[in-house]
Amino acid sequence: GNSVTQMEGPVTLSEEAFLTINCTYTATGYPSLFWYVQYPGEGLQLLLKATKADDKGSNKGFEATYRKETTSFHLEKGSVQVSDSAVYFCALSDAGSGTYKYIFGTGTRLKVLA
Amino acid sequence: DVKVTQSSRYLVKRTGEKVFLECVQDMDHENMFWYRQDPGLGLRLIYFSYDVKMKEKGDIPEGYSVSREKKERFSLILESASTNQTSMYLCASSRSGVSYEQYFGPGTRLTVT
Repeated sequence: GNSVTQMEGPVTLSEEAFLTINCTYTATGYPSLFWYVQYPGEGLQLLLKATKADDKGSNKGFEATYRKETTSFHLEKGSVQVSDSAVYFCALSDAGSGTYKYIFGTGTRLKVLA
Repeated sequence: DVKVTQSSRYLVKRTGEKVFLECVQDMDHENMFWYRQDPGLGLRLIYFSYDVKMKEKGDIPEGYSVSREKKERFSLILESASTNQTSMYLCASSRSGVSYEQYFGPGTRLTVT
């Protein structure tokens, strides 16, 4: 079945450091890939998405490229801020069996220190 | 902007009580979902619905039921709450189509004592 694996946290970085959160997936079809962010006490918000191979999603300085050959969708940011402290979820959607389901990774907590 | 609202942010119920969690979306989305979120386990799908009066079981439907009488509203029902149902419950909605993202509500933190 479909699955998403992302690196375990927590990840602790200093402000202005480079961020990478790894995400790999398995899927039988042609999924779309997403990164969501969850700030404390809130629901998930879409951060970025990519719907086909080699697409790059970007938002708020974050980027991720849909790599079909390595089945990966790693999240990167060149210079993190304290306000980026949150939990990040990698997810895929697939239309298996005619209905749309979303599969989430377990989340990676990021803590950015001033 | 899409809005997904949930009836309560925090809820405390006793073991054996019947619990209703309500979710409303205002963007005419076909699909609606209920998840529970627990530390270390990520999001687990309880039920989803792709049309009014239609529902499908997710990965952990035991102990839960759902109702979707109107397109904008999706209710999660705990028939007889138990302590192991203490969790954060998240509702989401989306348009139909593999490229469409989900929109999430703020969550309901349910404690069963």
